[in-house]
Amino acid sequence: DAKTTQPPSMDCAEGRAANLPCNHSTISGNEYVYWYRQIHSQGPQYIIHGLKNNETNEMASLIITEDRKSSTLILPHATLRDTAVYYCIVRVGGKGGSEKLVFGKGTKLTVNP
Amino acid sequence: GAGVSQSPSNKVTEKGKDVELRCDPISGHTALYWYRQSLGQGLEFLIYFQGNSAPDKSGLPSDRFSAERTGGSVSTLTIQRTQQEDSAVYLCASAEQFGLHPGYTFGSGTRLTVV
Repeated sequence: DAKTTQPPSMDCAEGRAANLPCNHSTISGNEYVYWYRQIHSQGPQYIIHGLKNNETNEMASLIITEDRKSSTLILPHATLRDTAVYYCIVRVGGKGGSEKLVFGKGTKLTVNP
Repeated sequence: GAGVSQSPSNKVTEKGKDVELRCDPISGHTALYWYRQSLGQGLEFLIYFQGNSAPDKSGLPSDRFSAERTGGSVSTLTIQRTQQEDSAVYLCASAEQFGLHPGYTFGSGTRLTVV
């Protein structure tokens, strides 16, 4: 079972920041938070991951609360191409592909012009 | 290859027929996964292969579903006596065994329609 809860849908105006929340209140000390997204008719795509520090890459920023019970994925300047389902996943780090990845229902983000 | 390749991209079959779906993972990736995604639904885990270990088949919905991975590379998902509820997009992913970042790479999927 997925260990995260996300809102089923969100809307964002093009050019604005999209802030996608995720609750993972039962996260363990050695579990990382990973974000993937799935654009319509494509396979999921990795976005970013983190343990406890905030992370940023060319796609997004990840803000993790101090107690690690929740996090927020930030797309700083959303474009129409960011319309997708965003999945937040927690799993133990260092295991790579040595165990299955369990997806929840994710958040359907719609970026509006 | 550069990515995970799945074939066919689309498959229409009659109820009761058997189908085979193929996945070519990224070269060197020891882990291979099959997922299913029904219309408007999330990803449902089906089966997982890791190296020479016994596969994790815990997600297969019935004994009509089976999968093989030959030579630690190409995998085939077989659905026998297809039913309409089997209609879905079947996604394959591969990954290196270890590493901080899962490194999962997904294929574009096979859209199966059972009529």
